[in-house]
This record gives sequence, C-alpha cells and structure tokens, in this order.
Amino acid sequence: AQSVAQPEDQVNVAEGNPLTVKCTYSVSGNPYLFWYVQYPNRGLQFLLKYITGDNLVKGSYGFEAEFNKSQTSFHLKKPSALVSDSALYFCAVRDGRSTGGFKTIFGAGTRLFVKA
Amino acid sequence: DSGVTQTPKHLITATGQRVTLRCSPRSGDLSVYWYQQSLDQGLQFLIHYYNGEERAKGNILERFSAQQFPDLHSELNLSSLELGDSALYFCASSTGLAGVLDTQYFGPGTRLTVL
Repeated sequence: AQSVAQPEDQVNVAEGNPLTVKCTYSVSGNPYLFWYVQYPNRGLQFLLKYITGDNLVKGSYGFEAEFNKSQTSFHLKKPSALVSDSALYFCAVRDGRSTGGFKTIFGAGTRLFVKA
Repeated sequence: DSGVTQTPKHLITATGQRVTLRCSPRSGDLSVYWYQQSLDQGLQFLIHYYNGEERAKGNILERFSAQQFPDLHSELNLSSLELGDSALYFCASSTGLAGVLDTQYFGPGTRLTVL
C-alpha cells in the first residue's frame, strides 16, 4: 500500500535561512509525489509535483523538492525562508486506479514557523 | 481564489441528522474530489468523480454518499451524523486530462460541526 510519512510535526526556521520539510514515501510502482501548502482557514494549494526524470523539482513561491529514490524521500526546500511561508505543509502520494481515477494519500502535515 | 466554490461555509447540526455539502468545480474541470480533514484522522481522501462517474473511492463511510451532476457540480451527502463526523470537508477539482498527474485545485472547505 502507498504511504507517506512526515517525521516532523513542526519546523522552526529564522527568516532568510534555508528551510527543509521532510517527507518519505512507500509505493509500489512509480511514485507520483506532491507537495501542498495550507494557510489558516484556507483550502490546500498545490506547490509542486514529481514527474519521472528530474530529481530536483521547482515549484511555486520559490519552493523546490528533491527526489531521492534510494532514500525514498521527497524533501521540500527553499533557499531563503519568508515569514509569509509560515503554514501547514502536506506531502502526498497518488495511487492510480485502473478506472482512470486515483486516490491521494496525505502525510500528517508539518507546521512551518518562520521567525522574523 | 482557486475557482472552486463550496457551500455552505459552516454547518452546525445535531447527531442523527443528514446534511448535503455542495461543490462547484472550476470552469471546464471534469474531475471532482472530496476530502475530510479532522484533527485525529488528518486529511483523508473520500471519493473521486469524473464527468459524472465514480472513479475511485477512499475511506468513505457507508453513511456518506456523493454524486456529480450533468452540470459537473457535486454533492456530498452525510447521514446519521455522529460527533466524530465533525470536520472540515474539502472539494477539489481538476481537468481530468492528465490522469494521476492532474493538478488539483481546492475549495475553501465546509466546516461541519455535529453537536
């Protein structure tokens, strides 16, 4: 069965410093991996997705993610954190169905606090 | 603004009751998805519809049902409500053209409180 794990409930970083939010996955077959962000009282917003090929994926708002097959990881990164990046971040994996549909499995989420 | 609308924003009801949550996808999107977000269970996939047909089902209780109408809006029906059904219910939509790699756009959610 497909699963994702976000080992950190919370990450604290100072503004201007690099940030990393960790995600590991377990899949059978090709990994279809995603990152989403959720701001308070809002729905999820898509940040980026992994498509077979490039191990470094660039996404919205200056975020990027590094896919590592040997470590089964897909960590979210940003070179310089902003206070406005403070939010809840979800890693997700998709499990395709023969019907053409798919099921998205989310990690528990990591709350990012960026201090000014 | 994602372009996905959900009504109502808040819903307060009693145990044993039935409610209907409504979702209007982005213009042109054929796929609609429903999710439940609660403190104890996290974010759970419920169901996926494409152009009126059910395509994938997740951890959706038998007391819950959904459908997608010919105008592509979707409704999630929750019946015999229990206290544990209190949660934020999200709808998302996508074009349906990229399969498992489709980008989903999430609505603002409906907060359901069961008393």
